[in-house]
Amino acid sequence: AQSVAQPEDQVNVAEGNPLTVKCTYSVSGNPYLFWYVQYPNRGLQFLLKYITGDNLVKGSYGFEAEFNKSQTSFHLKKPSALVSDSALYFCAVRPPASGTYKYIFGTGTRLKVLA
Amino acid sequence: GAVVSQHPSWVICKSGTSVKIECRSLDFQATTMFWYRQFPKQSLMLMATSNEGSKATYEQGVEKDKFLINHASLTLSTLTVTSAHPEDSSFYICSARDRPGNYGYTFGSGTRLTVV
Repeated sequence: AQSVAQPEDQVNVAEGNPLTVKCTYSVSGNPYLFWYVQYPNRGLQFLLKYITGDNLVKGSYGFEAEFNKSQTSFHLKKPSALVSDSALYFCAVRPPASGTYKYIFGTGTRLKVLA
Repeated sequence: GAVVSQHPSWVICKSGTSVKIECRSLDFQATTMFWYRQFPKQSLMLMATSNEGSKATYEQGVEKDKFLINHASLTLSTLTVTSAHPEDSSFYICSARDRPGNYGYTFGSGTRLTVV
């Protein structure tokens, strides 16, 4: 079965320190990979995506993610965390073009940046 | 950029009544929209795919008669929770693809439904 795993329910990091939010996936073929952020009682905001090309993808608000095909991972990173980055982060995968537009979401990781 | 407006942002209704949630694409036409449900501290669960001018495609385990979806125009999809019960209380989110070939979708701001 196709799945997305975010192994950490919560990540705590001090402001100014680098942050990493982990994501691994189990999908056949070459999927499209996404990161979204959700603030309380709000919808999801797009951060970045990997479709093809360079394994390091840069996105909104200084976030970046590295695609690692051999490890089937797509970890989200930021060099210097801000308190305002505190939110819920979702990794999502879209299986390769097969007529489906469905996302498979991870369970989410709550990021808490401490001042 | 593409904007998806969802209304209402929150609603409280009595058990047994029906509630309609609207999802509008403001600056683009959306032939396909998606409806998700999110339980507290859990991920998003795809409920159905809404296609303009045709019947929605429901995910396994989602009651079609309970969650009525209508996509009558290229900019509007509605989700009606019929005969709501407290267990239907949840956060409902819609999303849409803003243009062909765009791999990522735009999400609405969500609707918090509380059934009392």
